[in-house]
Amino acid sequence: DAGVIQSPRHEVTEMGQEVTLRCKPISGHDYLFWYRQTMMRGLELLIYFNNNVPIDDSGMPEDRFSAKMPNASFSTLKIQPSEPRDSAVYFCASSLTSFPAANEKLFFGSGTQLSVL
Amino acid sequence: DAKTTQPPSMDCAEGRAANLPCNHSTISGNEYVYWYRQIHSQGPQYIIHGLKNNETNEMASLIITEDRKSSTLILPHATLRDTAVYYCIVVVGANNLFFGTGTRLTVIP
Repeated sequence: DAGVIQSPRHEVTEMGQEVTLRCKPISGHDYLFWYRQTMMRGLELLIYFNNNVPIDDSGMPEDRFSAKMPNASFSTLKIQPSEPRDSAVYFCASSLTSFPAANEKLFFGSGTQLSVL
Repeated sequence: DAKTTQPPSMDCAEGRAANLPCNHSTISGNEYVYWYRQIHSQGPQYIIHGLKNNETNEMASLIITEDRKSSTLILPHATLRDTAVYYCIVVVGANNLFFGTGTRLTVIP
């Protein structure tokens, strides 16, 4: 398996523009997670899906952020409008089953480095 | 929910064992301890996890104290490619891993 695939690898945009980040989870994994990493706050969970359904979006910072999973092999994280404080590395991850009871582990993609000017 | 405490940085000579400590004094009885690492510009990578017993796999060993309040990740023969940030993690709520700030391990030639 190719692992979790994210695109683009780098994104540079101007404040106010719409940004869309993409993720393809590992085939057969039922859970998909979006994380954001910054120097100040470290790795933070934004939202996760189970069988394409959003389960917990309490980590999504504002209404400017939205995430969808139209099918089992694709998810998007959209920021509209983007702001400089959104600059961070955004990671997608997937797992076969849930934490913690399932003794499971997460597989991360390589991330998208977002810079909002 | 349990949180973790790790030293911010450590050095290790190449070829020697790297022992990375972690305190998780408030861990509850059914919470696993996970270790991940993040090499520069990459996503976090799973290393090992355990509940009560010591664990070993092809990457590392995990030693958990009997009271489960602390653990140590052991890389038996560190290489330059093991230079990374190592996160000791416990699960905080359903499907939410608390990564903390981790330990930056530098393997020195």
